[in-house]
Amino acid sequence: GAGVSQSPRYKVAKRGQDVALRCDPISGHVSLFWYQQALGQGPEFLTYFQNEAQLDKSGLPSDRFFAERPEGSVSTLKIQRTQQEDSAVYLCASRKTLAGGTQETQYFGPGTRLLVL
Amino acid sequence: QKEVEQDPGPLSVPEGAIVSLNCTYSNSAFQYFMWYRQYSRKGPELLMYTYSSGNKEDGRFTAQVDKSSKYISLFIRDSQPSDSATYLCAMIREYGNKLVFGAGTILRVKS
Repeated sequence: GAGVSQSPRYKVAKRGQDVALRCDPISGHVSLFWYQQALGQGPEFLTYFQNEAQLDKSGLPSDRFFAERPEGSVSTLKIQRTQQEDSAVYLCASRKTLAGGTQETQYFGPGTRLLVL
Repeated sequence: QKEVEQDPGPLSVPEGAIVSLNCTYSNSAFQYFMWYRQYSRKGPELLMYTYSSGNKEDGRFTAQVDKSSKYISLFIRDSQPSDSATYLCAMIREYGNKLVFGAGTILRVKS
């Protein structure tokens, strides 16, 4: 079946521009996650959705970052007034169920590579 | 200091070698331990998944977790050029949602 898809795959923005990154999770997956991966680093957690509810946004680096999942499927990560330090790969992951005693796998998309000039 | 430490490498080995990749961590609340493989310009792909301490084997891959030492390992037997990638360790608390990753180790297997 189809995996997690993300678009665009690459985005170049001028400093100060707003950008919107889209994630299509695996169909039926309840949980959705956004991670940021800087060059040469591992992914770092940004935010988590359970259906349409954003339950954890502790990793969002500033109030310029905003994520939504209005219908509990597709999610959008928006970055306002982009800065050079926002340049990174933004990864989306989905998980079939809620967290429970048995952790289920988070499946990752290919990422959106954002370059802010 | 980061919660999860991983040597970034690169680690270069000849084809057929046994590869050992390791991570240390500081948070004793982590209960689930994973290894992801990430090819260039791709998303991470789950390789191995272990709960608490112990060993798990899957084909050429063996994952080990020693919670008393806060140390996890991934062994790759009979390494192949196609194993060349970045290997990320990751861990998560019981009932947690946030995966915490190491920085990743770049592995190069030379034919």
